[in-house]
Amino acid sequence: GAGVSQSPRYKVAKRGQDVALRCDPISGHVSLFWYQQALGQGPEFLTYFQNEAQLDKSGLPSDRFFAERPEGSVSTLKIQRTQQEDSAVYLCASSLAGVGGELFFGEGSRLTVL
Amino acid sequence: AQTVTQSQPEMSVQEAETVTLSCTYDTSESDYYLFWYKQPPSRQMILVIRQEAYKQQNATENRFSVNFQKAAKSFSLKISDSQLGDAAMYFCAYKGLRSGNEKLTFGTGTRLTITP
Repeated sequence: GAGVSQSPRYKVAKRGQDVALRCDPISGHVSLFWYQQALGQGPEFLTYFQNEAQLDKSGLPSDRFFAERPEGSVSTLKIQRTQQEDSAVYLCASSLAGVGGELFFGEGSRLTVL
Repeated sequence: AQTVTQSQPEMSVQEAETVTLSCTYDTSESDYYLFWYKQPPSRQMILVIRQEAYKQQNATENRFSVNFQKAAKSFSLKISDSQLGDAAMYFCAYKGLRSGNEKLTFGTGTRLTITP
């Protein structure tokens, strides 16, 4: 597609439910990033893929968070046993390989945990 | 760890005027990139301008320019001839160039309002 596509745009989950958020990056983009943006804050890094390899997952807040990109294209961020503090906008971004490559962001998935 | 600080939670400027958004950062690295991103209400972050730390010349993109002061670790964004479409959240971001480090570190943002 023309840009980074994320789905769903909005997700409401009851505490304890599992959720899956999908990111479809720009075709040909090697690098893919997930960020978490709490209300009124800047995005916080979660994890980074280069093709199918997850090279950095240092930002994942707990073992309830899991991300995958099995074929080096679409990525899924899964959150198990959601808690209220997981409520945030989850942003996906992709870029061509290379230092200083511009990140292209999707519109995000807003997760609300009740 | 690198940190990025934006000390102005909100700024307001009249249409056609000039406004400057502040950003400071902390790093022990000598080579890095700095960015300003715009996030309108639609939530999609858009790159406004980028500066390579090794370049002394300040980056410029049409009405947007930066004042990069490496020794002071300051990276402000100047918007000239402000337009209604410039209203958005603006985030300053840092990226180090250490091998394997691909992530951006963002500040907390400045909400810019444009008054007609």
